[in-house]
Amino acid sequence: EAGVAQSPRYKIIEKRQSVAFWCNPISGHATLYWYQQILGQGPKLLIQFQNNGVVDDSQLPKDRFSAERLKGVDSTLKIQPAKLEDSAVYLCASSLGFVGGRYNEQFFGPGTRLTVL
Amino acid sequence: AQRVTQPEKLLSVFKGAPVELKCNYSYSGSPELFWYVQYSRQRLQLLLRHISRESIKGFTADLNKGETSFHLKKPFAQEEDSAMYYCALSVRNFNKFYFGSGTKLNVKP
Repeated sequence: EAGVAQSPRYKIIEKRQSVAFWCNPISGHATLYWYQQILGQGPKLLIQFQNNGVVDDSQLPKDRFSAERLKGVDSTLKIQPAKLEDSAVYLCASSLGFVGGRYNEQFFGPGTRLTVL
Repeated sequence: AQRVTQPEKLLSVFKGAPVELKCNYSYSGSPELFWYVQYSRQRLQLLLRHISRESIKGFTADLNKGETSFHLKKPFAQEEDSAMYYCALSVRNFNKFYFGSGTKLNVKP
């Protein structure tokens, strides 16, 4: 099966500019995650969708970050305006979710490396 | 608060030596724990989960609730095991995942 797709793979912007990332999950996966991975750290969950509804966005900086998953398939993550500390790899993952009393495996995309100058 | 700690940023061993990557967690409920691996130029992928109690690529991990640990072990390391390893905790009923900061395993020939 095709994996999780993300675009762009790399993006360089100046601070205060806007940027958007796109994710196409594995077909049939109801759960979609966006993570931020700063250099030297593990992935940090920003937002989790179940179909087109938000399950958790407690770690999303809502003053500048927004995400949507229209129609419960593709998702976009936006940063407006960007700050220097937003430089990171943004990972998208999808899974079948919590089914049968257990979490199903998350499949990760290749990530988008964002550099804010 | 839930947290995952991987105390070693880098672990270097020789081929054929045993390896243990440490993971400690803090969570008062019933955790689900995972090990994810990222090989060079590849995507992050699941290696194993505690609930499956399986051995993958020779790796095993046992959940020790008393010590709140989920260490990853392999008796004889291979060069192809060189990668970044992340321990992750999921919190049941809250649908949240927490990753540790990762340990880079370097297996020397």
